[in-house]
Amino acid sequence: QVQLQESGPGLVKPSETLSLNCSVSGVSISNYYWSWIRQPPGKGLEWIGYISSGSTNYNPSLQSRVTISVDTSKNQFSLKLTSVTAADTAVYYCAGRGRRQCDNWGQGVLVTVSS
Amino acid sequence: DIQMTQSPSSLSASIGDRVTISCRASQTIGGFLNWFQQHPGKAPQLLISAASNLPSGVPSRFSGSGSGTDFALTIDSLQPEDFATYYCQQSFSTPYTFGQGTKLEIK
Repeated sequence: QVQLQESGPGLVKPSETLSLNCSVSGVSISNYYWSWIRQPPGKGLEWIGYISSGSTNYNPSLQSRVTISVDTSKNQFSLKLTSVTAADTAVYYCAGRGRRQCDNWGQGVLVTVSS
Repeated sequence: DIQMTQSPSSLSASIGDRVTISCRASQTIGGFLNWFQQHPGKAPQLLISAASNLPSGVPSRFSGSGSGTDFALTIDSLQPEDFATYYCQQSFSTPYTFGQGTKLEIK
């Protein structure tokens, strides 16, 4: 069965870079679409972007600050978000499989931006 | 960006009830509409893809319908585990956008 697991710091200082990894098991990461989605506390879901076969697609609202990459040797993909502010505080989810739908999700990781 | 609007924002119902949640897109999205269920403190789970397809493991009391701009999620005979927040999401064009959510509560 497909499983995803996020990892990374839970606290990031303002103006610094948020970095998260997502380890994928049960399927080869090479064959599908892998996304990051976030949810500010008590709010709704925001699609950050996806990667597939090395090609990326980002939300224009975040495009200047976001990078999603894949490490096929580790079967994991990553998120980097630069110049963070308090508005970037959220639970970050990795998810993936189809281009048009996220069949599988990680449990999520809360990232707080604070000094 | 395509805006997704769900109604109602919250809904109270009883065990065994049939409920319907609506989702409207700001422009036509064909059938590229997904529904997710989220329990408090948990990750969303895919409930329906492509407007009406149930992934393996999703109970048959859930059904989806619609195309173009208007879509609906129907739950027949509510069970205790169905009380959660539901989100629609369009995957017609990026950025993929979500509705604001519908919180389904026990009456």
